[in-house]
Amino acid sequence: AQKITQTQPGMFVQEKEAVTLDCTYDTSDPSYGLFWYKQPSSGEMIFLIYQGSYDQQNATEGRYSLNFQKARKSANLVISASQLGDSAMYFCAMESSGTYKYIFGTGTRLKVLA
Amino acid sequence: NAGVTQTPKFQVLKTGQSMTLQCAQDMNHEYMSWYRQDPGMGLRLIHYSVGAGITDQGEVPNGYNVSRSTTEDFPLRLLSAAPSQTSVYFCASSYGREVARNEQFFGPGTRLTVL
Repeated sequence: AQKITQTQPGMFVQEKEAVTLDCTYDTSDPSYGLFWYKQPSSGEMIFLIYQGSYDQQNATEGRYSLNFQKARKSANLVISASQLGDSAMYFCAMESSGTYKYIFGTGTRLKVLA
Repeated sequence: NAGVTQTPKFQVLKTGQSMTLQCAQDMNHEYMSWYRQDPGMGLRLIHYSVGAGITDQGEVPNGYNVSRSTTEDFPLRLLSAAPSQTSVYFCASSYGREVARNEQFFGPGTRLTVL
């Protein structure tokens, strides 16, 4: 069965420091996509970054990067130079190609301290 | 583009009542889906559609019906509401199979309370 695990219910980080949010996944499909979404307190879901299972390089989008370790089945989100506006809930998600089904982790709540 | 729109934003129902949550997208996306978000459980897939006339069940489909008669619209029907259906509901859409990076675009959500 496919599964996404986020083991950190809550995290704190000092403003301007980097933070890593953990995500491990389980799938037997060789082709899949991994996603991170941000949910601020206002409630909307915002796409941050994508990593394909066949991508050779780790994905980066501005201050966001994805530390993809395929053998360990982990896809950790790294936020560099944290800002107060980064305080939010962060969800890791996976879609196995061809299934059309996305599964989400339970999320990590990040609080950036001034 | 309005993106993905959902109505209503808030709704209170009594047990046994029925209602339809509306979802529409103007991006010509093939794929649309409905999720519910409950505290501590992330988002769980209710139903999804890969195109007009095609729907399938997700992880938690019981108590919900969907149909997709057009590319743009994907309503979610609660036939007989139960308190266990109290949740925040999100509709999402994405381009579909032609695009490798198939991220979903989410609507603003509907907060539903069943008394």
